Amino acid sequence: RKEVEQDPGPFNVPEGATVAFNCTYSNSASQSFFWYRQDCRKEPKLLMSVYSSGNEDGRFTAQLNRASQYISLLIRDSKLSDSATYLCVVNLVTGNQFYFGTGTSLTVIP
Amino acid sequence: NAGVTQTPKFQVLKTGQSMTLQCAQDMNHNSMYWYRQDPGMGLRLIYYSASEGTTDKGEVPNGYNVSRLNKREFSLRLESAAPSQTSVYFCASSEEARETQYFGPGTRLLVL
Repeated sequence: RKEVEQDPGPFNVPEGATVAFNCTYSNSASQSFFWYRQDCRKEPKLLMSVYSSGNEDGRFTAQLNRASQYISLLIRDSKLSDSATYLCVVNLVTGNQFYFGTGTSLTVIP
Repeated sequence: NAGVTQTPKFQVLKTGQSMTLQCAQDMNHNSMYWYRQDPGMGLRLIYYSASEGTTDKGEVPNGYNVSRLNKREFSLRLESAAPSQTSVYFCASSEEARETQYFGPGTRLLVL
């Protein structure tokens, strides 16, 4: 079983739509959680960390559900520039390894 | 600040050839990482260095070696390249282990 699983999509949404991605992780010892964004043929870049209490950054909201072992990313009022692949990342408290999901592809359509 | 830099950007090798991928960071980070990214597989950790002078295997270390030359530089060596090592290689660094990672632009490697 993979450490981190994501729906690969693709998600095709119109501008202004709200879209949500979920990600599940298998190890209950996971300690740190992140969402990264990766544009085509570019390196991953941090979008936001995910905290237990949930956190918001402008149009982006991240939630963590430890009981069900999933994290989510909500994007409101989608922009064309949001088109990218979104990577879910978890880290175990016992080690230095980060585990990446395969990514969810989002295309925002005019 | 340049952040994390990688060289080369592209490389074509023949099976059995060797090469070294270079990575450097100017953020004074302690931890550095090498990943490979393949379609449908996500990023997988090859090796990491939690601090200068230490290196550890990640999820897919076979066929690779690393050197943490100093705090800034972390190189990845393929001693005898195989077609299965065709991939995009990313170097990353973080201030401390388990903290936010910053990635270099990647090296696209094709092994024929």
